[in-house]
Amino acid sequence: DAGVIQSPRHEVTEMGQEVTLRCKPISGHNSLFWYRQTMMRGLELLIYFNNNVPIDDSGMPEDRFSAKMPNASFSTLKIQPSEPRDSAVYFCASSNYGPQPETQYFGPGTRLLVL
Amino acid sequence: AQSVTQLGSHVSVSEGALVLLRCNYSSSVPPYLFWYVQYPNQGLQLLLKYTSAATLVKGINGFEAEFKKSETSFHLTKPSAHMSDAAEYFCAVSYTGGGNKLTFGTGTQLKVEL
Repeated sequence: DAGVIQSPRHEVTEMGQEVTLRCKPISGHNSLFWYRQTMMRGLELLIYFNNNVPIDDSGMPEDRFSAKMPNASFSTLKIQPSEPRDSAVYFCASSNYGPQPETQYFGPGTRLLVL
Repeated sequence: AQSVTQLGSHVSVSEGALVLLRCNYSSSVPPYLFWYVQYPNQGLQLLLKYTSAATLVKGINGFEAEFKKSETSFHLTKPSAHMSDAAEYFCAVSYTGGGNKLTFGTGTQLKVEL
């Protein structure tokens, strides 16, 4: 199994530009999570999906952030326009969804730097 | 609401010494508890999890954790530290009906010295 795949691994952009992060979950998993990690704020859950449906987006910092999951094998996190304070490592994770909490499997992350 | 508190953002041990990383949880319902490890420039990976079966849980790389309801704790231990254990460790909590959502602690950076 290839694990959770994220692209790009690194992104450097200028303030005001649109940034799109991509995630391919593990095949067969039906829950997908987007996290952001910074030194100041630690690991934050931004949004998660069950069966492609957004369940909780209360962690999305503001309207500049949006996430979609058009099908079971692909999700995007978009930032438009980007700002320097968005610089962070963004992780995607996937898991099975069931009556009991399941292990989340994390991707390698996308390191975003907004200049 | 569920939460976890990790005491000590940085822990330093000598190689061969006992590793003890502390995690206390708060939950109004029976919790499911996890320990994840993050090596530099990598994503998190599961070390072990407690799912209401045995209170002593064994994980990968010689780590184990004991669920103590009376102390609301789930501390992570390893009898003998190895240089390769240097990483950041995260405790997390979830619960049945929580939609698979994990609430993570702030992490503990483990340093292993010769």
